Amino acid sequence: QVRLLESGPGLLKPSETLSLTCTVSGFSISSGYYWGWIRHLPGKGLEWIATMYQRGITYYNVFLKGRVTMSVDTSRNQFSLNLTSVTAADTAVYYCARRVGAAGDYYFDSWGQGTLVTVSS
Amino acid sequence: QSVLTQPPSVSGAPGQRITISCTGGSSNLGADYNVHWYQQIPGSSPKLLIYDNTNRPSGVPDRFSGSKSGTSASLAITGLQAEDEADYYCQSYDSSLSGLVLFGGGTKLTVL
Repeated sequence: QVRLLESGPGLLKPSETLSLTCTVSGFSISSGYYWGWIRHLPGKGLEWIATMYQRGITYYNVFLKGRVTMSVDTSRNQFSLNLTSVTAADTAVYYCARRVGAAGDYYFDSWGQGTLVTVSS
Repeated sequence: QSVLTQPPSVSGAPGQRITISCTGGSSNLGADYNVHWYQQIPGSSPKLLIYDNTNRPSGVPDRFSGSKSGTSASLAITGLQAEDEADYYCQSYDSSLSGLVLFGGGTKLTVL
């Protein structure tokens, strides 16, 4: 059974860069599938951030205006998220997840427990 | 950002049937992309409830069902139970923006 676990700083100041890592166990990310990041904004809903394949094919939410990058480390069975120039609007619970499906019919079948990130001066 | 519209809240008594709607447009549900549903109990991560419009992952009770027609989709819960109280999100894909995965705004289900 695949398990995902997010890790990273819980508190950031405005303008800093958020770096999160997702450690996957029970499944080798080299074996396939896309992997992604989703966040839950307080008082709002879920927002998709980015998705990446282990060979570097990446899709980003255009509404995050180029602030996002994803990377993968197959040797550690991890993937990461960087979000630059954070503001209070980036305060959220961040989830990593596995994406399945094909041809546009994508969904997330396994999720991490989430990590709260607060941006405050 | 969300162009999948859900009602903010629904409620029902134990044992009743409720439905949650999800309305999209011509570049997502209307473009024949499938809809998927997640349940999120407060304090927990989202859980896949329905995928590809109507399919339930293993372990999801058959009290949960999904449907889709044109630009709209629905999640139905029959035999409502207290443990069903949660937030429910629909999700699809939008072809108007490269690689965009869309979530609905979420619906809070209250079991009276």
